[in-house]
Amino acid sequence: DVKVTQSSRYLVKRTGEKVFLECVQDMDHENMFWYRQDPGLGLRLIYFSYDVKMKEKGDIPEGYSVSREKKERFSLILESASTNQTSMYLCASSPRQRITDTQYFGPGTRLTVL
Amino acid sequence: AQSVTQLGSHVSVSEGALVLLRCNYSSSVPPYLFWYVQYPNQGLQLLLKYTTGATLVKGINGFEAEFKKSETSFHLTKPSAHMSDAAEYFCAVIRTSNTGNQFYFGTGTSLTVIP
Repeated sequence: DVKVTQSSRYLVKRTGEKVFLECVQDMDHENMFWYRQDPGLGLRLIYFSYDVKMKEKGDIPEGYSVSREKKERFSLILESASTNQTSMYLCASSPRQRITDTQYFGPGTRLTVL
Repeated sequence: AQSVTQLGSHVSVSEGALVLLRCNYSSSVPPYLFWYVQYPNQGLQLLLKYTTGATLVKGINGFEAEFKKSETSFHLTKPSAHMSDAAEYFCAVIRTSNTGNQFYFGTGTSLTVIP
């Protein structure tokens, strides 16, 4: 079974702090994704990566950056956390070979910015 | 334009009753359609997907969905609701590009099952 793990289930940070959210997958997938999930808005794509050191902006990249130094690991960085970044963050991965391949999700990190 | 629309952010059904969760997609996107389920405090899990072939797709836990091109719909159904079906359900479509696939999710429907 594919396993996607996220470094923390719950995180509380203060405004202005730099925040790192880590995601690791164990299935050698090329594609990795970061979403945020908010009530009434569903999932919105922040960034995705289709290979090591490659990244593309999703629908809401402002205030975020990402890093992918190794194939299995995709990090989401909040350079200066703000209260409007309080949300549930979900990481996902998928292989690239077939157009219809499923995305596999981690359990999520619930981030609160005070 | 919204790629996926889920009608009804909250749906309540009695245990044993039919479950119907609605999803309509934009006709401008290729019809690769997915339903995901999210149980409390967990990530999303694939229920079923439509890519090509038979328009009635069967998934896990007794769920199925029918792709209707003429109605641009992909509604999720289950004949008899179980308490364990209480969760949030997301419809999604794929948009393809040279670099990979992007998933676009609906805003979700929260299903409550009443004993």
